[in-house]
Amino acid sequence: AQRVTQPEKLLSVFKGAPVELKCNYSYSGSPELFWYVQYSRQRLQLLLRHISRESIKGFTADLNKGETSFHLKKPFAQEEDSAMYYCALRRAGGTSYGKLTFGQGTILTVHP
Amino acid sequence: NAGVTQTPKFRILKIGQSMTLQCAQDMNHNYMYWYRQDPGMGLKLIYYSVGAGITDKGEVPNGYNVSRSTTEDFPLRLELAAPSQTSVYFCASSPVGRNTDTQYFGPGTRLTVL
Repeated sequence: AQRVTQPEKLLSVFKGAPVELKCNYSYSGSPELFWYVQYSRQRLQLLLRHISRESIKGFTADLNKGETSFHLKKPFAQEEDSAMYYCALRRAGGTSYGKLTFGQGTILTVHP
Repeated sequence: NAGVTQTPKFRILKIGQSMTLQCAQDMNHNYMYWYRQDPGMGLKLIYYSVGAGITDKGEVPNGYNVSRSTTEDFPLRLELAAPSQTSVYFCASSPVGRNTDTQYFGPGTRLTVL
């Protein structure tokens, strides 16, 4: 079975400071990792996926298979980044039917 | 497109009552999911469906039932509500194929069982 762990329930930083949201996973097969975000009064939405190797809203995340981690980073946090962030894992392959295993979530607060 | 819609937004139930949480999507997605979100626990998959007439259990299915008679609708039924079912329920959908990794979520239903 797969598991996703986000060790920090709450994370507070000041505007302009670097931010890193940690995500560790356990899965014996080949995983696909995602970050989802839920802003206040908005729906949960996809932020980025490891396959795309993209930067979204200044955020990046690198899949480290050796450390089984997929930490989310941003060099200069903005107040509008304040939100709940979920790390999620999916088994690679069609039989996963898109099912995701979510971590516990981290509430990020960026202070002015 | 309205995307994924859920009704009701809020509901209070008494122990032992039943109710159906409605979920609909207008994106013609084959895959649909029900999650519950508990504080500090993240989202847990209750049931999922890969198409009309096909459903399967997720991680926490006990106390719930689902049906999928059409591509658009995926209602979640609670029988004999219990306080442990107090949670926020999210419905989601995703397409089949290259973009399956993007799940589109509804706004959620906040359920309290007293």
